[in-house]
Amino acid sequence: GAGVSQSPSNKVTEKGKDVELRCDPISGHTALYWYRQSLGQGLEFLIYFQGNSAPDKSGLPSDRFSAERTGGSVSTLTIQRTQQEDSAVYLCASSEGGSSYNSPLHFGNGTRLTVT
Amino acid sequence: AQSVTQPDIHITVSEGASLELRCNYSYGATPYLFWYVQSPGQGLQLLLKYFSGDTLVQGIKGFEAEFKRSQSSFNLRKPSVHWSDAAEYFCAVVRMDTGRRALTFGSGTRLQVQP
Repeated sequence: GAGVSQSPSNKVTEKGKDVELRCDPISGHTALYWYRQSLGQGLEFLIYFQGNSAPDKSGLPSDRFSAERTGGSVSTLTIQRTQQEDSAVYLCASSEGGSSYNSPLHFGNGTRLTVT
Repeated sequence: AQSVTQPDIHITVSEGASLELRCNYSYGATPYLFWYVQSPGQGLQLLLKYFSGDTLVQGIKGFEAEFKRSQSSFNLRKPSVHWSDAAEYFCAVVRMDTGRRALTFGSGTRLQVQP
């Protein structure tokens, strides 16, 4: 079956521009996560959606970052006024839900964002 | 404060040798612990997890990990490494103290396998 799909796979943008990154989770998965992976760093938690609950936005690094999940499925991560330090691989993951530890996370292949 | 620490950034082992990747967590509550692997060009995949019970857990691809509360550790082991095990390995915890349900990952250990 289809896994977690992310688009685009690569994005190059100029500093100051806005970007949107898309994630299509596995069908039926109620939990969706965004992580950021910078060179030499671990995975930095950004935001977590679980069903109809209010998202956990505690990992978003600044107010330039926002995310939404429409209809409990597709999610979009938006970065406004991009900065060079935003350059990273943005990973999306989904799970069956309930709680993150009861079912494994299925990761997409990520979007590599380069801000020039 | 870092919730999970992987002290080794890069490890090189010979094919057929044994492997141990270190992971330490830094808070007192009983954690939920995980190991994920990120192979080149592929997404992260769950190797194994520990919630409670038997402190030695078996995972996929011949990996195992042992939870040691006294050492705050959850080290990943494999008796005989294969060339295909070359990848980046991430330890992760669920931080029950913050109430956040999302996994917190370590910075990763890159494994290189020599022929």
